[in-house]
Formats: sequence, C-alpha cells, structure tokens
Amino acid sequence: DADVTQTPRNRITKTGKRIMLECSQTKGHDRMYWYRQDPGLGLRLIYYSFDVKDINKGEISDGYSVSRQAQAKFSLSLESAIPNQTALYFCATSEPGTGRENEQFFGPGTRLTVL
Amino acid sequence: AQTVTQSQPEMSVQEAETVTLSCTYDTSESDYYLFWYKQPPSRQMILVIRQEAYKQQNATENRFSVNFQKAAKSFSLKISDSQLGDAAMYFCPPGLYSNYQLIWGAGTKLIIKP
Repeated sequence: DADVTQTPRNRITKTGKRIMLECSQTKGHDRMYWYRQDPGLGLRLIYYSFDVKDINKGEISDGYSVSRQAQAKFSLSLESAIPNQTALYFCATSEPGTGRENEQFFGPGTRLTVL
Repeated sequence: AQTVTQSQPEMSVQEAETVTLSCTYDTSESDYYLFWYKQPPSRQMILVIRQEAYKQQNATENRFSVNFQKAAKSFSLKISDSQLGDAAMYFCPPGLYSNYQLIWGAGTKLIIKP
C-alpha cells in the first residue's frame, strides 16, 4: 500500500551530535514537508519541497537543514542538536491536481530526545 | 497573520453520545480547503474529513460532519455516536492554495468515557 515512512521512529541523542531523520514515500507525490510538534502546540513547518530542485524554508528552519535526494526521499538534519529540539517530527506529502489539493499524508512520526 | 483557534483544549463525552469540537480561523485568502485531522495516542496524523471553502454544502463522512460558516470563519466538527476509538487530539488546519501549506492550531483533546 502506498505509504509515508520515517526512520528512526525514536531516537535519543546528546547535545552537539549530528542527527538525520529520513522520510520515504511510495505515493508518487512531488510535495514533501517536515514538521515538528511540541506538547500543547500544533505542528510547525520546518522545510518543504515542491520537487527535487525546489526546497523552501518554513516557519522554524533555524538549526535544521534538508536534502531532497529523490522524488521519494526527503531527509531532515540537525547539524548540532540542542535540547530544545526535543520534539515529535513528522514528514508529510501532498499532490496538487488530484482533486485532493492541500490534503497532506503523514508519516508515523519520529520522537527525538536531545539530552 | 494566519491563525487557527481551537478554544476547547479538552472535551469529554460519554460513549455513544454526540460531541461538537469548535474551530475558528483567520485568513485573508479566499481560496482554501479545511480539514479535520485526528491524532490518536499512536501519534499518527489521520485525516477525518475535508471541506472545500467554495462549497456551501457541509461535508459528512459517516459519523463525522462539519458545520462550515465561511463568513464567520468557523468550522466545527460534530461526532455522532462517539466510540472509544475516537479518543484523540483533533486539529482543524486550513490549507491555503497560495502556498499549499496547512495552518495548525493547538488542537482539542477528546476523551471518550465508557
């Protein structure tokens, strides 16, 4: 079944370490998104990509970088993790022109803890 | 600024009863979609129902229906015959055509009492 997957599902790391979160999708969607979710808050957009060559900063991109390796893969990196980056991270995809514009399909999330 | 307000941080309802979750939003754009997503304890974000802003007819999906008041920028979700599996956080992000982004509020936690 077409899906959005994220690895790892859970990760504990230490301050200053470099971390990469990976997202893969089999939906064939061009658009991919990275969000973070903190307790008591909604999702906040970190980066988004409309195709392999089009990457854009979201609301809270500082401290993060991304790589769109292929249509199906979109990775999020924390170059030097800090404790306030402890959060739940979601990858999502969407595809315009399908009659389901703006609807986003989410991966299962990665819970990241920075000690 | 574009914002979403979910004024009820937490709601509880008896199993099999009906509950309504409220949502108001503020956007200057005229073209958008509206969604309700649920996030159960498994943390997976799941689409519940969607509404096109240009449509006057309210969307329904089995036990879920919306009351969309465009002028008031209000988009409430009614859940009929509540089930234990409905327990979750509920979010109501508008999706903007201009940048294909969703605007998220803080959500409402729905508790189902058996």
